[in-house]
Amino acid sequence: SQQGEEDPQALSIQEGENATMNCSYKTSINNLQWYRQNSGRGLVHLILIRSNEREKHSGRLRVTLDTSKKSSSLLITASRAADTASYFCATDGGATNKLIFGTGTLLAVQP
Amino acid sequence: EAQVTQNPRYLITVTGKKLTVTCSQNMNHEYMSWYRQDPGLGLRQIYYSMNVEVTDKGDVPEGYKVSRKEKRNFPLILESPSPNQTSLYFCASRFGGTNEKLFFGSGTQLSVL
Repeated sequence: SQQGEEDPQALSIQEGENATMNCSYKTSINNLQWYRQNSGRGLVHLILIRSNEREKHSGRLRVTLDTSKKSSSLLITASRAADTASYFCATDGGATNKLIFGTGTLLAVQP
Repeated sequence: EAQVTQNPRYLITVTGKKLTVTCSQNMNHEYMSWYRQDPGLGLRQIYYSMNVEVTDKGDVPEGYKVSRKEKRNFPLILESPSPNQTSLYFCASRFGGTNEKLFFGSGTQLSVL
């Protein structure tokens, strides 16, 4: 079952612009994570935000979480061509045995 | 270097020919999992293991088997592959619960003809 749904499905921006991706989920969670995937490669963990947190920063990444709306956003500031990748949110659905991934946002950063 | 190693990276096979995709991690992680990734469907969990000799079904376990005889290894077995198992497969591991990050292998692109 799909827990996370990312929006938009695809996003194209110019280098230097900010990129915002959104994630909506269905059930209560303990935490939400964001991952990045370069074309066809393994996913790499970016950031984790707990259900009692509203905002978290890591370098050029800013993640927000609104548990009342069951949604999260990932902001990448001052994007670079190297940020071109797919971005996935993942939630635990309140369980302990797995992460449930969304379908991802494909970000293309034009140089 | 901490890593999850999957082999092979690419595999082409024919319907019904048993195959195994290996997965090994060197981080002493208790939890390991297999996912498949298909266009438009995201990543779906096939099987997971909370520790040695403890495995359980994920969302799409049909047609797959796993074993966890050692902590570091978690092979995925397709006893009679079918074309609908053509997919990109990922092994992942983590230490502890879902408040820990997953480490992913590089993936295995499987084509079943």
